[in-house]
Amino acid sequence: KQEVTQIPAALSVPEGENLVLNCSFTDSAIYNLQWFRQDPGKGLTSLLLIQSSQREQTSGRLNASLDKSSGRSTLYIAASQPGDSATYLCAVPNSGGSNYKLTFGKGTLLTVNP
Amino acid sequence: ETGVTQSPTHLIKTRGQQVTLRCSSQSGHNTVSWYQQALGQGPQFIFQYYREEENGRGNFPPRFSGLQFPNYSSELNVNALELDDSALYLCASSVASGGWETQYFGPGTRLLVL
Repeated sequence: KQEVTQIPAALSVPEGENLVLNCSFTDSAIYNLQWFRQDPGKGLTSLLLIQSSQREQTSGRLNASLDKSSGRSTLYIAASQPGDSATYLCAVPNSGGSNYKLTFGKGTLLTVNP
Repeated sequence: ETGVTQSPTHLIKTRGQQVTLRCSSQSGHNTVSWYQQALGQGPQFIFQYYREEENGRGNFPPRFSGLQFPNYSSELNVNALELDDSALYLCASSVASGGWETQYFGPGTRLLVL
């Protein structure tokens, strides 16, 4: 059974700081890994999807890396802004190959202070 | 905006009642998944529908049921509501193409069971 863990559970940083969020998974036979952002009481916004054959994926100030063999991914946020404050979730799909079931971590609650 | 809509946005029910939540998929998407997200937790997979048939189910009892219609809109029905059913319910639509495709999430329905 796939389990996804995110560390830290919460993070508070001053504006402008670079930061790293961590995600680990127990079953390394994944097709991809996805990072989402969730604002309070809202749905999920997909930030980055890394295919299993990729090592990194970048979008603006966000950079996600994937190390399948060690079961880890990191989300790097450069020059953080108060608007980045949200919960960040990582998720991996089931390894059965069919297009369903994402397993999520509990998320990291990020607060960027002005 | 993902093009996935859900209704209602908020709902209050009492224990033992029944509830129906609705999801309108993104245009052209033939697959819909439903997730339950309790406060402080990551989303948990409930089930997925593909071309009006259930295509996978998580660890949820039979009182959680669903429908997908020919226009690919979907319903989640929960009977005999319990206090622990209080959560944010998310639907996600995607296109099944033999591999893994990105799931696009709606804004969610917040259900409170009293």
